[in-house]
Amino acid sequence: DSGVTQTPKHLITATGQRVTLRCSPRSGDLSVYWYQQSLDQGLQFLIQYYNGEERAKGNILERFSAQQFPDLHSELNLSSLELGDSALYFCASSPPGGSSYNEQFFGPGTRLTVL
Amino acid sequence: AQTVTQSQPEMSVQEAETVTLSCTYDTSENNYYLFWYKQPPSRQMILVIRQEAYKQQNATENRFSVNFQKAAKSFSLKISDSQLGDTAMYFCAFMLPTGTASKLTFGTGTRLQVTL
Repeated sequence: DSGVTQTPKHLITATGQRVTLRCSPRSGDLSVYWYQQSLDQGLQFLIQYYNGEERAKGNILERFSAQQFPDLHSELNLSSLELGDSALYFCASSPPGGSSYNEQFFGPGTRLTVL
Repeated sequence: AQTVTQSQPEMSVQEAETVTLSCTYDTSENNYYLFWYKQPPSRQMILVIRQEAYKQQNATENRFSVNFQKAAKSFSLKISDSQLGDTAMYFCAFMLPTGTASKLTFGTGTRLQVTL
């Protein structure tokens, strides 16, 4: 158990719908990262937040958005869903700046299926 | 942009034998981190081993060790005394630390099957 929690574990929805994935980082971690794992794109970085602020953006679609709240939990919002958005979405967290290892701790993931 | 290449989509090894997984990467930076992550059938991402580029000594974690060749931009993972529980996808990952923004760039993975 990494200490990172993600809900829900599984999500099945239809095309055109909107969903919200939730992540709670490990206690004390300020950074939250979102990654998408799909069959055709592999593991891709989507976006990172640090203490409530967006810090880095990867291959995140305009239909996707994220935020980090004052209690440091984060939500990834996916809208106008398409079949190709079906994937495993991981959240990871890392300790505050200054860690010598820059290790990211991954949550168990949310499996999204778009029908 | 940094890229990570894993040229072995699948590998198989017998229990108790040794296997080496290959990884190459491309970067023009001098300071970075390299990781191997394991993803078993449970789909959980588990850190296996890490290497800081400024350290010449190869990292070792129990049965897992790396061969880091900075000039060749190569970072292979050696698993000794393979166990059935080592069956998993293995991902090589690169990180360029930039203050508080440190994303991971992953390779496409190597599926390792440990057999009896």
